[in-house]
Amino acid sequence: NAGVMQNPRHLVRRRGQEARLRCSPMKGHSHVYWYRQLPEEGLKFMVYLQKENIIDESGMPKERFSAEFPKEGPSILRIQQVVRGDSAAYFCASSPRLGDWGTEAFFGQGTRLTVV
Amino acid sequence: AQKITQTQPGMFVQEKEAVTLDCTYDTSDPSYGLFWYKQPSSGEMIFLIYQGSYDQQNATEGRYSLNFQKARKSANLVISASQLGDSAMYFCAIKNQGGKLIFGQGTELSVKP
Repeated sequence: NAGVMQNPRHLVRRRGQEARLRCSPMKGHSHVYWYRQLPEEGLKFMVYLQKENIIDESGMPKERFSAEFPKEGPSILRIQQVVRGDSAAYFCASSPRLGDWGTEAFFGQGTRLTVV
Repeated sequence: AQKITQTQPGMFVQEKEAVTLDCTYDTSDPSYGLFWYKQPSSGEMIFLIYQGSYDQQNATEGRYSLNFQKARKSANLVISASQLGDSAMYFCAIKNQGGKLIFGQGTELSVKP
């Protein structure tokens, strides 16, 4: 939505496999936020990244989860050795400046991860 | 710590009527922003409206308006002339100075024909 692109839209993984979720921010945006939405819940902050730098990862689970935003290419959220509890919708948003959403904050369409 | 509370898990409204979705917040930051999102059954998060803490006037965007009462720490969303397509989950969120959005639990709105 409004230029934030996430792929894939749907991802099915077996327990123990790795999941890689991609997020391309809006044009001109250099900051990316990842959120997770468990069923029947609101979005929960996971991690905030600037290109080549993690600003805030206070919402990331301590194990199996990692995120990066390289100088070139999309931001990647990686989940290793997935478990059923990782099944959720993962959303990405972007902003143009550090800590600044301006008056709008757009999310991508999300990736729905299902672990079977 | 910041917190958003949406006390209405579900709401019903008759088509063409107005409806108010409640949102209260807690923050110690002097400057903050409040956002409302719509999440239809298809799952995407659609940005609706924004209110800055220093804005003097309530924000409006088409049929959406935000009833901002700073002293009461409330930022209720008013949808006028409800349409069937308004049926969705609605989330209130607050932005802190670090840039994170903190979301409430959401309100499920059902518009009846």
